[in-house]
Amino acid sequence: QKEVEQNSGPLSVPEGAIASLNCTYSDRGSQSFFWYRQYSGKSPELIMFIYSNGDKEDGRFTAQLNKASQYVSLLIRDSQPSDSATYLCAVQGGKLIFGQGTELSVKP
Amino acid sequence: DTGVSQNPRHKITKRGQNVTFRCDPISEHNRLYWYRQTLGQGPEFLTYFQNEAQLEKSRLLSDRFSAERPKGSFSTLEIQRTEQGDSAMYLCASSQNSDSPLHFGNGTRLTVT
Repeated sequence: QKEVEQNSGPLSVPEGAIASLNCTYSDRGSQSFFWYRQYSGKSPELIMFIYSNGDKEDGRFTAQLNKASQYVSLLIRDSQPSDSATYLCAVQGGKLIFGQGTELSVKP
Repeated sequence: DTGVSQNPRHKITKRGQNVTFRCDPISEHNRLYWYRQTLGQGPEFLTYFQNEAQLEKSRLLSDRFSAERPKGSFSTLEIQRTEQGDSAMYLCASSQNSDSPLHFGNGTRLTVT
């Protein structure tokens, strides 16, 4: 079992729709959870971080964490073509481990 | 704050040669990470430092890979006797402390011919 797993993509949504990205992790001792966005040929850039169970909202982005289920998700509301990228889930319990990424395509 | 700086941006080398990459983290960031990324995959953890101490090295990493962070400032990643399978983007990132988000450099793209 991989330490951090993301739902396989690519995920395609129409412009203006909600994109839902999911991630599960295996280490119950993990304390910090991050979502990064990576455009093709670029380095990952931080979108959201969440430390406690529940929801955390920042603009069009909402991160959700459920430690009991070892599940973290990212919702993107009013998706825009500029949101098309690979989204990386990362989990920290010491070192930071990344999932394989989910490619999102937002169609105009 | 000038961000995380990595050099060189690109490196082409012949199989069997040694290569060394440098990473300058954001000043006063205690943690420094090295990752490797290939096309279509997420960043793969290689090693990380807390100041000058190397806290962990990936079990998947062969003995050909070594990293240092003398004086807790910049870091170097050396690959000895490169193989074609070492071709990848090597990413460096730093963070203020153990719970802080990582800030990534632009990476060093290695091509082994």
